[in-house]
Formats: sequence, structure tokens, C-alpha cells
Amino acid sequence: QLQLQESGPGLVKPSETLSLNCAVSGGSISSGNYYWDWIRQPPGKGLEWIGRIYHTGSPYYNPSLKSRVTISVDTSKNHFSLKLSSLTAADTAFYYCARRPNRPYGYFDLWGRGTRVTVSS
Amino acid sequence: DIQMTQSPSSLSASVGGRVSITCRASQSISIYLNWYQHKPGKAPELLIYGSSTLQSGVPSRFSGSGSGTEFTLTISGLQPEDFATYYCQQSYSTPFTFGPGTKVEIK
Repeated sequence: QLQLQESGPGLVKPSETLSLNCAVSGGSISSGNYYWDWIRQPPGKGLEWIGRIYHTGSPYYNPSLKSRVTISVDTSKNHFSLKLSSLTAADTAFYYCARRPNRPYGYFDLWGRGTRVTVSS
Repeated sequence: DIQMTQSPSSLSASVGGRVSITCRASQSISIYLNWYQHKPGKAPELLIYGSSTLQSGVPSRFSGSGSGTEFTLTISGLQPEDFATYYCQQSYSTPFTFGPGTKVEIK
């Protein structure tokens, strides 16, 4: 059964760049017709969609974060990654990776458990 | 961006009871509305997509309805494992946006 697992530093300093990975296990990131997405949830706030990538590339980002976000995919390692630069305390959040079938209705049918990221000096 | 709201923000219900959660969009989104369940420390789970289509493996006590700007998630016959936070999400246009969540607690 396919699973997603986020990994990365739990604590990063303001102005630095956050790097997170999402490992795909139990199946290939290249099989099927899926987008691979990142979503976050700041403490006490709602979920925010960050962006997505296809296994062949073609990232697409939320315009609100576009200037600071890079999403990439490494099919040889069966994972995809998120980089978020110029961090501030507002980037403190749980970060989730998710799979989205390339079909109508744009739903996320599989999620990781999330990883907590705190931005603090 | 399309703004999503949910009501109520929280509710208390008894096992075996029936609950309804409303999700509203700031503009018409046809039936491009999905529902998720989230328990602390766990991965969120897809319940319903396309407003009313039950995701495979999701119990039939969950149902969804609505179109345009108003949608409803109904849980009929609450089970202990249903106590969680529920989110709606619009996929009509990017950026995808979510409702703020409804926490369902045990009465």
C-alpha cells in the first residue's frame, strides 16, 4: 500500500531556507497519473495549498508563495521535495505531502502524517 | 482566491447521533468540493469528492451534498472513530483552498 512520509528539520532560523522531502513507499512515484502536492497548516489556522509537481516535472505554485517556493521531484529516489526560502515565523506550520490523481475534482486521496516545522532563532 | 467557510466551527454529538456540517464557497464552484477527516497525529483522509462521491473504503454513514456555493457533509450514526476535525476543500480553481475545519467532539 502506497505511503507518504515527510522528513526535514523541525527547527529552522528566520531568513533561512526550509528543505523537506516526501518519501513515497509501496509504489513508484512515476506510476499512474498523479500530481504530488505540498500543503501546510500553521498552528490554529487552516490548511494552505503550497503547490504541486508531476513525476516528469512541471511544478505549479500557490501565487501567495510562488516567489519563495521550489518543488522538485527525484524519481530515482522515489521522492519529491519542497524548498521554502526567506523564512519568517509565519512559516511555522505542520507541512504535509499528498497525492492528487490527475482527474476531475482535484482531490487529495493520500496524505502523509505531516512534519512540524518551527521557525525561530 | 475562493474563500471557504464552515459552520459550525465545533459541535458535540453522541455516539449514534447524526451531524451535519455546512461548507460555503465565496463563489460558485459547481460540485468541485471535497471533504476530509483529520485526527491528531494522523494523515488526513479523503471522505468525499465531487460533492457527493464516497471515496473507496469510506463507510456509507458519510454522505455529501450540494452544488454552487453551499455544501453539506452528513454523518449518520456517529461512531467513536468519527470524532475528528473535518475540512472541506474546493478544487474549482487554483489555488486550491480549504475551509477552517469543524471539530466533532463527544457529548
